[in-house]
Amino acid sequence: DIQMTQSPSTLSVSVGDRVTISCRASENIISWLAWYQQTPGKAPQALIYKTSNLQSGVPSRFSGSGSGTEFTLTISSVQPEDFATYYCQQYSLTPWTFGQGTKVEIK
Amino acid sequence: QVQLVQSGAEVKKPGSSVKVSCKASGDTFRNNAISWVRQVPGQGLEWMGKIIPHIQVANYAQKFQGRVTITADKSTLTAYMELSSLTSEDTAVYYCARERDYFDYWGQGTLVTVSS
Repeated sequence: DIQMTQSPSTLSVSVGDRVTISCRASENIISWLAWYQQTPGKAPQALIYKTSNLQSGVPSRFSGSGSGTEFTLTISSVQPEDFATYYCQQYSLTPWTFGQGTKVEIK
Repeated sequence: QVQLVQSGAEVKKPGSSVKVSCKASGDTFRNNAISWVRQVPGQGLEWMGKIIPHIQVANYAQKFQGRVTITADKSTLTAYMELSSLTSEDTAVYYCARERDYFDYWGQGTLVTVSS
């Protein structure tokens, strides 16, 4: 199985900060990577697909980059509604696998 | 508008089975797969398997092979996930999601609690 490793596990930030979350795949997944946001008690929601494509309705402060095994999710200016847990997911090879999550919390 | 509506919470005894449903709206079943993903409380997301309803082909993660069965009824636009031989480690929220490569729409989740 392809292992997905996110870092850091937790980020403490203030509103308006720039946030960067990293995701590393254990093998080359080309660009087959998605990012999801999950708030407590809710289902995950897609943010980005194929590394850098914004899901419909997602604010432009979210962006994604990378290729191969190294990927990044960036929030240019964190807003109050962005405090949540973020997961990366590879869909290059089944079983589809997720990172362990990065919790973005208020400093 | 795509909607996936799941069945309600379940409490099961160890050793029993659970069957969770996921009713889709619109053309979700057409040319898409429905996947099942679970989340143990306080932990991450784990893909269990999927079905392509219009050709009735299912594919499972090795971890759940032999214990999970995913089916779909095209007439009612409903997908099902049945998990057998339940243990306390299967206590989790189970989600269905539309798979268009990635998971673009998710159901609201179904909590399955396994307890004696």
